Amino acid sequence: AQKITQTQPGMFVQEKEAVTLDCTYDTSDPSYGLFWYKQPSSGEMIFLIYQGSYDQQNATEGRYSLNFQKARKSANLVISASQLGDSAMYFCAMREGRGANNLFFGTGTRLTVIP
Amino acid sequence: DTEVTQTPKHLVMGMTNKKSLKCEQHMGHRAMYWYKQKAKKPPELMFVYSYEKLSINESVPSRFSPECPNSSLLNLHLHALQPEDSALYLCASSQDLASGQTDTQYFGPGTRLTVL
Repeated sequence: AQKITQTQPGMFVQEKEAVTLDCTYDTSDPSYGLFWYKQPSSGEMIFLIYQGSYDQQNATEGRYSLNFQKARKSANLVISASQLGDSAMYFCAMREGRGANNLFFGTGTRLTVIP
Repeated sequence: DTEVTQTPKHLVMGMTNKKSLKCEQHMGHRAMYWYKQKAKKPPELMFVYSYEKLSINESVPSRFSPECPNSSLLNLHLHALQPEDSALYLCASSQDLASGQTDTQYFGPGTRLTVL
């Protein structure tokens, strides 16, 4: 089974609108971390936001927020007030367990912001 | 400062060449990683170093040889590569998870490798 599933290969959003990128995960470990990364065409993976499995509140970082629904095992990324510079590939990833060093990545969603 | 640097940015090499990729971080992180990313795919983990010791090798062919000279530096030595090894090679670092704390991997800009 896939550890991380991103079902939207591509998404379009109008500039200044909000957009939600979907991510579901699969783990039986009670301790895990969820991450979102942005990868522009230049190639660098830019860390956006983190949510821990024991965190009570949804994570927020500026225009990014993570809609964490633990019972549904979903960790959707919400980008508010989209900007042209938000056009990129977005990856959801999970670290499973304590002391684990490897990240499981989803297949990514390509977001295009339309002027 | 969350900067991880990688050199070179681009590398073209023949199948008989020997080359090295370099990664450096000055965040005091004790875990460093090499990933390989093919076009339109997610990154795939190759190696993990924790406290300068190799802790994970994801069955990577021996033509890729990692080295961690110190806690700030990570090298990837390349020898007798194949054209299918052409990819973006990403380095990352994080605070080691030995304490079980939240750990975020910070990535460098990558090296685009082309094997002819």
